[in-house]
Amino acid sequence: ETGVTQTPRHLVMGMTNKKSLKCEQHLGHNAMYWYKQSAKKPLELMFVYSLEERVENNSVPSRFSPECPNSSHLFLHLHTLQPEDSALYLCASSQTRGLAGGRTGELFFGEGSRLTVL
Amino acid sequence: SQKIEQNSEALNIQEGKTATLTCNYTNYSPAYLQWYRQDPGRGPVFLLLIRENEKEKRKERLKVTFDTTLKQSLFHITASQPADSATYLCALDDTGGFKTIFGAGTRLFVKA
Repeated sequence: ETGVTQTPRHLVMGMTNKKSLKCEQHLGHNAMYWYKQSAKKPLELMFVYSLEERVENNSVPSRFSPECPNSSHLFLHLHTLQPEDSALYLCASSQTRGLAGGRTGELFFGEGSRLTVL
Repeated sequence: SQKIEQNSEALNIQEGKTATLTCNYTNYSPAYLQWYRQDPGRGPVFLLLIRENEKEKRKERLKVTFDTTLKQSLFHITASQPADSATYLCALDDTGGFKTIFGAGTRLFVKA
């Protein structure tokens, strides 16, 4: 148990579907992240929220839409995805010094949501 | 562009031996470097963090070195066990930001 819970663990969707990934952290952290991990490739940072404000958007296509309603919850809304979007989507959390102060220490990851786009 | 290189070839060692994994980076001046462990189908788990002004860090059977001149970190597991078999990821951070850059990882197999 890492303190970061992701649901669903597995998701299969067609290219015209709309679905959402959910992440919840129970660590009292105030920064949350979405990473994408494709086979044999490094983790790619997608989005970062610090104190519920988006502070990083790493040139991610608009078919991925993040939402952070509070410091404990993070969503990734998916629509009209492509087969190449199939990957493991990882949520992480950390402490932060504040909006512009960056973060302190390590990332705590969830177990990931394995997404397959048909 | 910033780049992190980890040995893409899997590392196979015998139980009880020391495993040494390498992380090299270019076009980057990190404030600190981290190592994570990832098991198949699971999220990465933090192991150790070493700052730019530190040469070496230890935690139980783990040791990390950080050479900012060579732009290299070495990660050692002493007295390795089959349970140490996993993928180990190197990650770099600069100061004041949220962008942690990860390497692709090195797969370690420890044979009994």
